[in-house]
Amino acid sequence: KQEVTQIPAALSVPEGENLVLNCSFTDSAIYNLQWFRQDPGKGLTSLLLIQSSQREQTSGRLNASLDKSSGRSTLYIAASQPGDSATYLCVPTKNYGQNFVFGPGTRLSVLP
Amino acid sequence: EAGVTQFPSHSVIEKGQTVTLRCDPISGHDNLYWYRRVMGKEIKFLLHFVKESKQDESGMPNNRFLAERTGGTYSTLKVQPAELEDSGVYFCASSQEPGGGVSNYGYTFGSGTRLTVV
Repeated sequence: KQEVTQIPAALSVPEGENLVLNCSFTDSAIYNLQWFRQDPGKGLTSLLLIQSSQREQTSGRLNASLDKSSGRSTLYIAASQPGDSATYLCVPTKNYGQNFVFGPGTRLSVLP
Repeated sequence: EAGVTQFPSHSVIEKGQTVTLRCDPISGHDNLYWYRRVMGKEIKFLLHFVKESKQDESGMPNNRFLAERTGGTYSTLKVQPAELEDSGVYFCASSQEPGGGVSNYGYTFGSGTRLTVV
């Protein structure tokens, strides 16, 4: 059974800092891994998807890496902004069974 | 491309009543999923449809929950009778392929339905 851990659980930083959010998962036989953000009272927004054959994906100030064999992924946020404040969820997926398992999330607050 | 649509966005009902949540996936997405996040806990899988068939319903908490997907299009999730512990946010997601596919979008989530049982 896939178990996902995210560290830290919560993070509060001043605007402009570079951040690293960590995710680890127990079952490395994944199809891909996706990072989402959840804003209070809103739905989930997909940020990045990394295929199992890839090592990283970049979108704007976000960079996600994947080390499938060790069951780890990191989300790097450059030059953080208050608008980045949200909960970030790491979601490794399979293409069968309970397709994807959500991590507990990292709650990020970026202070102006 | 229209996203995944869920309604209502909010629902407040009394314990013992019935509530039906609806999800309209992205057109052409055969795979539809229901998830929920109860207060203070992680998001948990409920079930997965492939077209109109239930591929995996192992996450459904009990028989008070009934999910349907008529004609492989929209899906409904009925809770009858609702209990206090059913309060939370119910998310629907859809994807073209079961593993999220090779596109950069993978799964697309709706904005959720916030259910409050009082």
